[in-house]
Amino acid sequence: GAVVSQHPSRVICKSGTSVKIECRSLDFQATTMFWYRQFPKKSLMLMATSNEGSKATYEQGVEKDKFLINHASLTLSTLTVTSAHPEDSSFYICSARVVGRGGRGYTFGSGTRLTVV
Amino acid sequence: EDKVVQSPLSLVVHEGDTVTLNCSYEVTNFRSLLWYKQEKKAPTFLFMLTSSGIEKKSGRLSSILDKKELFSILNITATQTGDSAVYLCAAFSTQGGSEKLVFGKGTKLTVNP
Repeated sequence: GAVVSQHPSRVICKSGTSVKIECRSLDFQATTMFWYRQFPKKSLMLMATSNEGSKATYEQGVEKDKFLINHASLTLSTLTVTSAHPEDSSFYICSARVVGRGGRGYTFGSGTRLTVV
Repeated sequence: EDKVVQSPLSLVVHEGDTVTLNCSYEVTNFRSLLWYKQEKKAPTFLFMLTSSGIEKKSGRLSSILDKKELFSILNITATQTGDSAVYLCAAFSTQGGSEKLVFGKGTKLTVNP
């Protein structure tokens, strides 16, 4: 149980365009979703925390107008990279928390490799 | 600022070797330490450690936490090529109604036949 489906797994887009990444919790309700970014040889960096029905909380240094997060339902959260630039190329991973399992309750999507050309 | 430091960053061994991966943390409101294995896509959960000195085992993998020294190790015995991956440790903390996972940079383990 506790599966998070993330799409697309890989996307290539042109500079200036926007890209939407979706994460769905398949067999549980995810009131909270976390969005991470991972650079090569670097750690997973938390970008923002989204709660269903409310505005996302962004980490310091993350541009909220550039990385739009929507968590409109208990099973779907989306991250839209707006006006993408080559420096936005990265691996993006979402994670949902299964209530009642503390630290063990984080389940991750399979990630999206974004390449901006 | 919360931080998690892993060492070594990279390790190359031969099949059958035993490896020890290290993780130190400085995290406010620490609750537990988690280890994940990341093979190309999403991290997969290995262990969660909450109490000091209690070893957790799963097959050839084991891990232990020292909350006094703010340190954890992950041991892999009789390594196999399938153990090649990036191993991430993360510190889980909570404050008020919020919670956070702070990740280390990972240790890239390569097991050669």
